[in-house]
Amino acid sequence: TQLLEQSPQFLSIQEGENLTVYCNSSSVFSSLQWYRQEPGEGPVLLVTVVTGGEVKKLKRLTFQFGDARKDSSLHITAAQPGDTGLYLCAGGALQGAQKLVFGQGTRLTINP
Amino acid sequence: GAGVSQSPSNKVTEKGKDVELRCDPISGHTALYWYRQRLGQGLEFLIYFQGNSAPDKSGLPSDRFSAERTGESVSTLTIQRTQQEDSAVYLCASRRGGPSYEQYFGPGTRLTVT
Repeated sequence: TQLLEQSPQFLSIQEGENLTVYCNSSSVFSSLQWYRQEPGEGPVLLVTVVTGGEVKKLKRLTFQFGDARKDSSLHITAAQPGDTGLYLCAGGALQGAQKLVFGQGTRLTINP
Repeated sequence: GAGVSQSPSNKVTEKGKDVELRCDPISGHTALYWYRQRLGQGLEFLIYFQGNSAPDKSGLPSDRFSAERTGESVSTLTIQRTQQEDSAVYLCASRRGGPSYEQYFGPGTRLTVT
């Protein structure tokens, strides 16, 4: 069974600070996706990384896929209150259905 | 809109009753997934459709759960004889198919079994 360990589960920081969220697994994934979920809504895709060592930037967010495609990180620079939300990482299975294995999520709160 | 839609958005049912949840995927998306999200937890995979067939049903928790898809479009997830542990948000996602990776989610159906 593939598992993704996401940490931290909760993070509360002040506006302007930097933060990193981690997703780790002993399994190899074909892709790693990061989602953001607001209360009462479905997850919204932020980014997909598919190549080991790949780095993608989305404004103040930087996503990295580990060289061995087993782990990933999300780094936010100069966090803003609008970044508050639930962040989910999800790994795509290597074969077959491309079903996603989700981490438990990181509930991020940015205080003004 | 062009996104994934689900209905109903909320469903409250009594223990032992059957419920049907509906998903309308993005037009042209051949792959469709159902996931379940319990309160405060991540999403867990239930079932995958490619076209109208379901080659992966490995996540369905019991034989009370079933799903079908027709016309390579709408899918329904049916839960028979609901139990309180079935209470969760049920999310549907669709993917274009082929070598694409991205899954696009609907808003979910919040099911409460009393």
